[in-house]
Amino acid sequence: AQTVTQSQPEMSVQEAETVTLSCTYDTSESDYYLFWYKQPPSRQMILVIRQEAYKQQNATENRFSVNFQKAAKSFSLKISDSQLGDAAMYFCARMNYGGSQGNLIFGKGTKLSVKP
Amino acid sequence: NAGVTQTPKFQVLKTGQSMTLQCAQDMNHNSMYWYRQDPGMGLRLIYYSASEGTTDKGEVPNGYNVSRLNKREFSLRLESAAPSQTSVYFCASITGGGYGYTFGSGTRLTVV
Repeated sequence: AQTVTQSQPEMSVQEAETVTLSCTYDTSESDYYLFWYKQPPSRQMILVIRQEAYKQQNATENRFSVNFQKAAKSFSLKISDSQLGDAAMYFCARMNYGGSQGNLIFGKGTKLSVKP
Repeated sequence: NAGVTQTPKFQVLKTGQSMTLQCAQDMNHNSMYWYRQDPGMGLRLIYYSASEGTTDKGEVPNGYNVSRLNKREFSLRLESAAPSQTSVYFCASITGGGYGYTFGSGTRLTVV
């Protein structure tokens, strides 16, 4: 089975500090996309950051960055200068490249708490 | 506003009742999806439709049926609801260009 594993059910970070959320995945494909989604208490799914597997350069979006290790099948999310609004569930997900292989496979999520 | 619209947002059913969750997108996307979210389980794919007129089972299809009515609409039906179907249900359409999905706001369903 092609799975996505988030080994940290819960994480906590002090406001203004940095936190890293872990994600590993399993796939036999060489081309795919990786995502981090944020789900605040409002339940809305919000795309935080994406990575194309064929790109070696790690993606960044403001305070959010990833450490993509393709050989290790690892895709961690780093949140810098954590803010109270970052408190949410975070889901790592993988999607194969193109066509009807577009099904997103999600990890079980990491609940992030931010302490003031 | 463009996006994915799900109705209803909340629903309580009695065991054995039936209902249909509605989903519509106005972004001209081909592929649409239904997921369920349970605590500690992440989001799991129920059914998907790669294009108008086609539907396929996902990881957890038992107890559900779907209809891709047209390119915009993709409904999920529970014929005889069971307590195990208590969950939050998300509809989504694929954004294209490898940008993942656009999600609806979810339906919280409770079966008592």
